[in-house]
Amino acid sequence: GQQVMQIPQYQHVQEGEDFTTYCNSSTTLSNIQWYKQRPGGHPVFLIQLVKSGEVKKQKRLTFQFGEAKKNSSLHITATQTTDVGTYFCAQENFNKFYFGSGTKLNVKP
Amino acid sequence: GAGVSQSPSNKVTEKGKDVELRCDPISGHTALYWYRQSLGQGLEFLIYFQGNSAPDKSGLPSDRFSAERTGGSVSTLTIQRTQQEDSAVYLCASTETSGRVEQFFGPGTRLTVL
Repeated sequence: GQQVMQIPQYQHVQEGEDFTTYCNSSTTLSNIQWYKQRPGGHPVFLIQLVKSGEVKKQKRLTFQFGEAKKNSSLHITATQTTDVGTYFCAQENFNKFYFGSGTKLNVKP
Repeated sequence: GAGVSQSPSNKVTEKGKDVELRCDPISGHTALYWYRQSLGQGLEFLIYFQGNSAPDKSGLPSDRFSAERTGGSVSTLTIQRTQQEDSAVYLCASTETSGRVEQFFGPGTRLTVL
């Protein structure tokens, strides 16, 4: 299946610091989705990006889709302890979803 | 309405035994997916159902794994002759139609094979 590589694998930040996770593909993506999974929980859909260069914001979260549609990023401004969890990117291709390995975010109060 | 439900929440079994995992999707959702998530890892696609069409089984790791979906609703994932490497959380997700990307996940079944 098609793969999306996600970095970093782990990120530890102090509350109030910013955080960014990156998703990269060797092939052009038709779309990218982002999910959040809290510790012990299940993935929850955050957003989908489909257009080249698209930027979407949800409060402190900013999502970007690269101009070449081969990469995407999720940026959290001024992290809070409620942001703790693992963030996954995923791409949909012919009704199947391929998930990145995730970035586990830990926020120290 | 209720979200996606899965049962059991936890299953401990002995190597070589068969297990059945159940998923109840959101009512009216036509697409249903099974994923496997090993500890600290991402989600591995297993199988996809869309309505009454033949499922896409391309992600099943071996012929010990099978799944069915009765009446376009409830789905059962069966693992025969379980192995220790089958230990993982098995997640089910559903979407309104095959064209929708927002997947709604169930809480998962944690399978431990001793």
